[in-house]
Amino acid sequence: QKEVEQNSGPLSVPEGAIASLNCTYSDRVSQSFFWYRQYSGKSPELIMSIYSNGDKEDGRFTAQLNKASQYVSLLIRDSQPSDSATYLCAVFGNQFYFGTGTSLTVIP
Amino acid sequence: NAGVTQTPKFQVLKTGQSMTLQCAQDMNHNSMYWYRQDPGMGLRLIYYSASEGTTDKGEVPNGYNVSRLNKREFSLRLESAAPSQTSVYFCASSEFIGQEAFFGQGTRLTVV
Repeated sequence: QKEVEQNSGPLSVPEGAIASLNCTYSDRVSQSFFWYRQYSGKSPELIMSIYSNGDKEDGRFTAQLNKASQYVSLLIRDSQPSDSATYLCAVFGNQFYFGTGTSLTVIP
Repeated sequence: NAGVTQTPKFQVLKTGQSMTLQCAQDMNHNSMYWYRQDPGMGLRLIYYSASEGTTDKGEVPNGYNVSRLNKREFSLRLESAAPSQTSVYFCASSEFIGQEAFFGQGTRLTVV
């Protein structure tokens, strides 16, 4: 079982819609959770961090964490074509683990 | 403010050659990391340094060595390169271990 699992996609949404990205993790003692965006051929770029249960909003992005279910998600509201990228979920327990990423395409 | 800087950006090695990938950060961060990224495998941690003077193995350390030269610099060495080490290598840093990490632009390494 992988430490961090993501649906690889591809996920396609129309412009202006909500994109929902999901991630599960296996280590119950994980403390810190992150979402990164990676454009093709570029380095990962931090979008959000979340450390406690509940929702955290930053602009069009909302991260949701449920430690009991070992689940973290990212919602992107009013999706734009520039949001088309691969989204990486990262979890820190005793070290960092990344998921393999979900490819998102926003269709104009 | 450059953030995290990696050199070189591209490198081709022959099997058995050695090389060192350099990483420097100017954010006064305590923790630094080396990852490799392969298609379908995601980012995997090779080594990390929680603070100056310490280094620890990550998920895939075999075939690599690291040196935390000072607070700013963290290098990754391949002593005898193998084709399986063909990958994109990323250095990252965070203020403290487990906090938000910021990545360099990556080094694309090909071993032939």
